[in-house]
Amino acid sequence: NAGVTQTPKFQVLKTGQSMTLQCAQDMNHNSMYWYRQDPGMGLRLIYYSASEGTTDKGEVPNGYNVSRLNKREFSLRLESAAPSQTSVYFCASSVVPTSGVYEQYFGPGTRLTVT
Amino acid sequence: GNSVTQMEGPVTLSEEAFLTINCTYTATGYPSLFWYVQYPGEGLQLLLKATKADDKGSNKGFEATYRKETTSFHLEKGSVQVSDSAVYFCALSEGGSYGKLTFGQGTILTVHP
Repeated sequence: NAGVTQTPKFQVLKTGQSMTLQCAQDMNHNSMYWYRQDPGMGLRLIYYSASEGTTDKGEVPNGYNVSRLNKREFSLRLESAAPSQTSVYFCASSVVPTSGVYEQYFGPGTRLTVT
Repeated sequence: GNSVTQMEGPVTLSEEAFLTINCTYTATGYPSLFWYVQYPGEGLQLLLKATKADDKGSNKGFEATYRKETTSFHLEKGSVQVSDSAVYFCALSEGGSYGKLTFGQGTILTVHP
């Protein structure tokens, strides 16, 4: 199993450009998440998808859109990149184990710089 | 809303020293608590968890006890190794929230030989 994979690993954009960050998981998990990581602020949830066909906003959704393409894939799109979106982006997935507590598995991250 | 506060870092220790990283939380309900670890250049990995008061999570020599009365979940290890150098994140998740995590700001740990 590859777990959670993300592409690309690094990206540099100019202000106003658009791009899509890709995420896929091969663990048959129902729920998927996008977080951003900024220095001194931990990780903050951008969007999540509780199950295939559903998406909801997290703590910092402005400037982003998501698509849950199928059970495996959950993409994050920046329509018009801004320097404030310079960050490291992590995708995660989870399944509800028998204990009832979600455990999230994270991808390796995408480091995005917007100039 | 929910929030998690971790002790400020960075923390620098010598090998075999005792480690404590403090974590306190604010939650509207009765959350599950987690510690995640991020090694350089990698994503986050679940280190340990606890789901109810007085539960002790443990893994790889690390421990943390869910203290409801002090709303705390401090991470401890009796003897750190150089390989423990990483960023440690405390996090919580409330029931019915589809596993959404609220993270603390992270604590950088560096262990010297």
